[in-house]
Amino acid sequence: NAGVTQTPKFRILKIGQSMTLQCTQDMNHNYMYWYRQDPGMGLKLIYYSVGAGITDKGEVPNGYNVSRSTTEDFPLRLELAAPSQTSVYFCASSYSYPRDYEQYFGPGTRLTVT
Amino acid sequence: TQLLEQSPQFLSIQEGENLTVYCNSSSVFSSLQWYRQEPGEGPVLLVTVVTGGEVKKLKRLTFQFGDARKDSSLHITAAQPGDTGLYLCAGEKAAGNKLTFGGGTRVLVKP
Repeated sequence: NAGVTQTPKFRILKIGQSMTLQCTQDMNHNYMYWYRQDPGMGLKLIYYSVGAGITDKGEVPNGYNVSRSTTEDFPLRLELAAPSQTSVYFCASSYSYPRDYEQYFGPGTRLTVT
Repeated sequence: TQLLEQSPQFLSIQEGENLTVYCNSSSVFSSLQWYRQEPGEGPVLLVTVVTGGEVKKLKRLTFQFGDARKDSSLHITAAQPGDTGLYLCAGEKAAGNKLTFGGGTRVLVKP
């Protein structure tokens, strides 16, 4: 199993550009999450999904959109990139509730907006 | 302000010393998790605690969940350079679907 894979690993965007961060898991997990981590800080939840076709906002959803058309994939869309979106983005997945099932994280995408 | 406050933010110690990292909140959590993150990688789960007062040990690491389920601590005995990393606590409120992370404690163990 590859676990949670994210592409790209690095990306530089100009202000106002758009992009999609890809996330795929091969563990048949129901729950998927997108977090951002600013330098030296903890993780903040952007969006999450408890199954295909179901998504919900986290703490910091503004400027982002998600979709979950399949169990495996959970892409994160950035529209009109802003310097404040410079961060490392982590995708994670788990079988079910965090208290019962471990969240597995991808290796991250480092995004710079200039 | 963070819902989960971790202290200290940074800790530098010599190999063989002990250290304790704290995770505090004014909110009650149904469970609390500790993760370690190494540079350039995603966090990896160390432990989940769910019962107030619970103590779990993982080799030289001891985790405690406060009686009121508002705080937790991580104690490392005889730290080794391999313990170096960013330690993150994360809480789940009321058996929900998501975690709230603390700001992290960066630990450096010098040989």
